[in-house]
Amino acid sequence: EDKVVQSPLSLVVHEGDTVTLNCSYEVTNFRSLLWYKQEKKAPTFLFMLTSSGIEKKSGRLSSILDKKELFSILNITATQTGDSAIYLCAGYGGATNKLIFGTGTLLAVQP
Amino acid sequence: DGGITQSPKYLFRKEGQNVTLSCEQNLNHDAMYWYRQDPGQGLRLIYYSQIVNDFQKGDIAEGYSVSREKKESFPLTVTSAQKNPTAFYLCASSTTKEGVGYEQYFGPGTRLTVT
Repeated sequence: EDKVVQSPLSLVVHEGDTVTLNCSYEVTNFRSLLWYKQEKKAPTFLFMLTSSGIEKKSGRLSSILDKKELFSILNITATQTGDSAIYLCAGYGGATNKLIFGTGTLLAVQP
Repeated sequence: DGGITQSPKYLFRKEGQNVTLSCEQNLNHDAMYWYRQDPGQGLRLIYYSQIVNDFQKGDIAEGYSVSREKKESFPLTVTSAQKNPTAFYLCASSTTKEGVGYEQYFGPGTRLTVT
């Protein structure tokens, strides 16, 4: 069965800290891995990763994929209270080519 | 403004009633999806449609029905057969180009409470 597992489930940090969120996957016919940020409502797209070892960066956020070990990490440096959200990881693939979501990591950044 | 709209934002229903959630997109996307989100369970796929007049069951389709009569619209009906309908429902859309994958764009969601 295809699955995506995220860890930790929740995390509390202070402003300025650096955090690493983990995502491991077992997805047949794997094609890509996506990260989303969900604040109160709609998840918003962060990154899509298709190749191993190539870091994608957007401001203080970065992500990388390891297709040999079947995982991805999302790093956030110099965290701010606005980074507080649920971070969702999803693998694209499976028998019917769809997104398989993990349960998410709830990040709380305290001032 | 391009995007996905869902209505209503909050919906309250009595047990035993069917209810229809609206989802409209003006992104010219071929594919549309319905997810359900419960605390601690991430997003689970209910139904998806890759083209007008065609749709497929996702992982938790029982108790739900959909239609796709227009490219822009993909309404979801939560029927009385759905045992635990109270949840946050998210609609999404994407392109269907062949390739390594594509991002899905999400609507703001509808929070359904059934008592």
